[in-house]
Amino acid sequence: DSGVTQTPKHLITATGQRVTLRCSPRSGDLSVYWYQQSLDQGLQFLIQYYNGEERAKGNILERFSAQQFPDLHSELNLSSLELGDSALYFCASSTPLGEYNEQFFGPGTRLTVL
Amino acid sequence: TQLLEQSPQFLSIQEGENLTVYCNSSSVFSSLQWYRQEPGEGPVLLVTVVTGGEVKKLKRLTFQFGDARKDSSLHITAAQPGDTGLYLCAGFTNAGKSTFGDGTTLTVKP
Repeated sequence: DSGVTQTPKHLITATGQRVTLRCSPRSGDLSVYWYQQSLDQGLQFLIQYYNGEERAKGNILERFSAQQFPDLHSELNLSSLELGDSALYFCASSTPLGEYNEQFFGPGTRLTVL
Repeated sequence: TQLLEQSPQFLSIQEGENLTVYCNSSSVFSSLQWYRQEPGEGPVLLVTVVTGGEVKKLKRLTFQFGDARKDSSLHITAAQPGDTGLYLCAGFTNAGKSTFGDGTTLTVKP
């Protein structure tokens, strides 16, 4: 158990819908990262937040957005969903300005878009 | 854009064999991590290497960071079925970005 929690574990929805994925980092971690993992694309970095502010951005679509709240939990919002958005979504956290950026991953949310 | 290339993409071996997987980039990283992921679960951190030429051992796993901090290797001695999984390397730059390789899927047959 990494100490990072993600909900829900599974999510099934239809094209055009909007969903919200939730992540709680390890106690004491200020950084949260979101990743998308598809069968044919590996682990793709989406976005990083540090203490409530966006710190780094990867290949995140405009239909996707995220935020980190004062209690440090984070939410990833996916809108106008398409079939290709079906994937595992992982959240990871790391120690405050961790020198080596060692990330601890949650169990993931499996999103299926029908 | 920093790219990390892992090879081989797939590896299937018999229990007891040795293997090496590679992680290469044209970019310099301030640190590099190796993770292991099982199907349907999140990646689990195995090791972090930070110094060029550094070698770290974790039981039967040996990790090496290249002298120029652009590449790394993972060597497993006497592989066991429990070593089966997806092995991912990730490079971290001073700019705060992490880049993950596409991974090596290892299958160890009993």
